[in-house]
Amino acid sequence: AQSVTQPDIHITVSEGASLELRCNYSYGATPYLFWYVQSPGQGLQLLLKYFSGDTLVQGIKGFEAEFKRSQSSFNLRKPSVHWSDAAEYFCAVGTSYGNKLVFGAGTILRVKS
Amino acid sequence: ETGVTQTPRHLVMGMTNKKSLKCEQHLGHNAMYWYKQSAKKPLELMFVYSLEERVENNSVPSRFSPECPNSSHLFLHLHTLQPEDSALYLCASSQDAGPGGTEAFFGQGTRLTVV
Repeated sequence: AQSVTQPDIHITVSEGASLELRCNYSYGATPYLFWYVQSPGQGLQLLLKYFSGDTLVQGIKGFEAEFKRSQSSFNLRKPSVHWSDAAEYFCAVGTSYGNKLVFGAGTILRVKS
Repeated sequence: ETGVTQTPRHLVMGMTNKKSLKCEQHLGHNAMYWYKQSAKKPLELMFVYSLEERVENNSVPSRFSPECPNSSHLFLHLHTLQPEDSALYLCASSQDAGPGGTEAFFGQGTRLTVV
């Protein structure tokens, strides 16, 4: 069965600093990979997705992620964090059938000024 | 108007009550989902509906009863819940639930508290 690991429960970065959130997945076939963001009291918003092709994908709000098959990773990056990026970030893997997303436990991002 | 709308946003219910959560999507999607988000636990998929037919039930207790009367609406009927059922219940939709992943669009959730 597929699984997703987000090793960092909390991350704190200074505003303007770069950010990398880690995600490792376990899935036997080619995965469909997603990053979602959740602000307090809100639902999940899709940041970006990887289905195939270029392993570096661009998303909204200046985020990007790189799929590395050899490392089973799909890390999320942003070159310069803004205070409004403070939220919880979820990595998810989708299977070849259906949109039965399996989510990681999430990483809470705090931004200090 | 957002693509996926959930009502109510907050619900407090006693263990003997019966209530329903509602989800409506305005995206023309064919698949709808219920997820449960508990504190300190990953999001858990509960149910999947494709073209109004339930295609997945992830070992959810029978005190949760979904209903999908049409492709735009999804309900979650609740009865005799337990305090541990308190969580954020998220509805999502996607173009379809067939081969090939497609992105899911989420509602803002219903924060349920069982007292």
